[in-house]
Amino acid sequence: GESVGLHLPTLSVQEGDNSIINCAYSNSASDYFIWYKQESGKGPQFIIDIRSNMDKRQGQRVTVLLNKTVKHLSLQIAATQPGDSAVYFCAESIGNDYKLSFGAGTTVTVRA
Amino acid sequence: EPEVTQTPSHQVTQMGQEVILRCVPISNHLYFYWYRQILGQKVEFLVSFYNNEISEKSEIFDDQFSVERPDGSNFTLKIRSTKLEDSAMYFCASSELRGNQPQHFGDGTRLSIL
Repeated sequence: GESVGLHLPTLSVQEGDNSIINCAYSNSASDYFIWYKQESGKGPQFIIDIRSNMDKRQGQRVTVLLNKTVKHLSLQIAATQPGDSAVYFCAESIGNDYKLSFGAGTTVTVRA
Repeated sequence: EPEVTQTPSHQVTQMGQEVILRCVPISNHLYFYWYRQILGQKVEFLVSFYNNEISEKSEIFDDQFSVERPDGSNFTLKIRSTKLEDSAMYFCASSELRGNQPQHFGDGTRLSIL
C-alpha cells in the first residue's frame, strides 16, 4: 500500500542556517508530492508541490527535490527564520486520486 | 488570500451524541475533503466530495459518518453516534481541481468526546 514517511522526527536549526527535511515514499506509482507546514493550533499550510516529471522546484526561500530512483523527497529552507518553526509534512497522491497520503511529520525548531 | 474556514474551533460532546462539524471551502473550489489527525499522529484522509456526492472514502469513514453540502457555501461532516476514539482534530480542505493540485486546509475543529 501507499506509505509516506519522514526520516527524522525532529530537526533543530540555528537561525540563518539552511534546513533540509527529508521524506521517503514507498509507492513508485505516486506522481504528485506536496509539502505542508503546520503551526501549533493551525491546519496544514501549503508550501510547495512537485510533479513526478520534475526533479526540482523552487519557491520563495524553499526548494523541493525529488529523487524517483530512491523514492526520496526533500524540502530545503534557506536562511531559516524563527517563523519557520513548525511541523512539516510531506504528502503524496497518485494520478487523479482524490486523497493525499501524509507522512508522520518533522518538527523543526529554530534556535536564536 | 481566500481561505477555508471551520466552525467550531473546539467541540466537546458526550459519547453517543451526534456532532456536526462545519466548513466553508474556498468559493471557486469544486472538490472538498475531510481529514482527521489524532493527537501526535499523521493526518488521515476520511472522504472527498464532488458534484454533491462522495467520490472517495477511507476505511475510517464508516456508516457513522456522513457529509453534506446543504447550500452553496457550507460543507459538513456529521458523526451520528460519537465514540471516544473519534476524539481528534478534523480538518476540512478544498481544491480547485482533482488530482495533482494542492488542497487548502482550514484550521480544524478539535473534537473531544467525553
